[in-house]
Amino acid sequence: NAGVTQTPKFRVLKTGQSMTLLCAQDMNHEYMYWYRQDPGMGLRLIHYSVGEGTTAKGEVPDGYNVSRLKKQNFLLGLESAAPSQTSVYFCASNEANYGYTFGSGTRLTVV
Amino acid sequence: RKEVEQDPGPFNVPEGATVAFNCTYSNSASQSFFWYRQDCRKEPKLLMSVYSSGNEDGRFTAQLNRASQYISLLIRDSKLSDSATYLCVVKGTNAGKSTFGDGTTLTVKP
Repeated sequence: NAGVTQTPKFRVLKTGQSMTLLCAQDMNHEYMYWYRQDPGMGLRLIHYSVGEGTTAKGEVPDGYNVSRLKKQNFLLGLESAAPSQTSVYFCASNEANYGYTFGSGTRLTVV
Repeated sequence: RKEVEQDPGPFNVPEGATVAFNCTYSNSASQSFFWYRQDCRKEPKLLMSVYSSGNEDGRFTAQLNRASQYISLLIRDSKLSDSATYLCVVKGTNAGKSTFGDGTTLTVKP
């Protein structure tokens, strides 16, 4: 049982480049989330989804877009990367009122 | 004021010690509460849910005080392997409204 899988695990981007982070879960969870974690700031919610075809903004959505075309996948896009988006990105999934299962994270550096 | 506040620590304790962490939350409508453990450069992992009546899992005990709006985690007989950052999570009624504390760092020393 793979749980939540994130790809890629590491990436270096130049300012202005775009990329997509992929999150896949095999637990048939309805809810999926994208967080970023920065030193001293804890986990902050970027976007989330309560089901296939739905997305919503979290605490820090600017500069990111998401899509959930299939229940098992949740994609996070950076249209024009900025150094401020250097962070560790975690995807998570759950069923309502249950704890999250996190992916192993993507370490992104924007230079 | 942050929605969820934790003492960042660090807590440095000897093996075998008992250590307790508290976490306060501001939204009285919060419904679900959790403790997560995060090792350095790893993803957070669910340690335990926190129930109104309190709950125990081996050496770990979690409690909820709705009147004072805090949750606690007690670790008994600390092991070296308990060294990690402990995150409290508070969830409201909205599926997307879980808020993470910034974490409390625990180091257990021989």
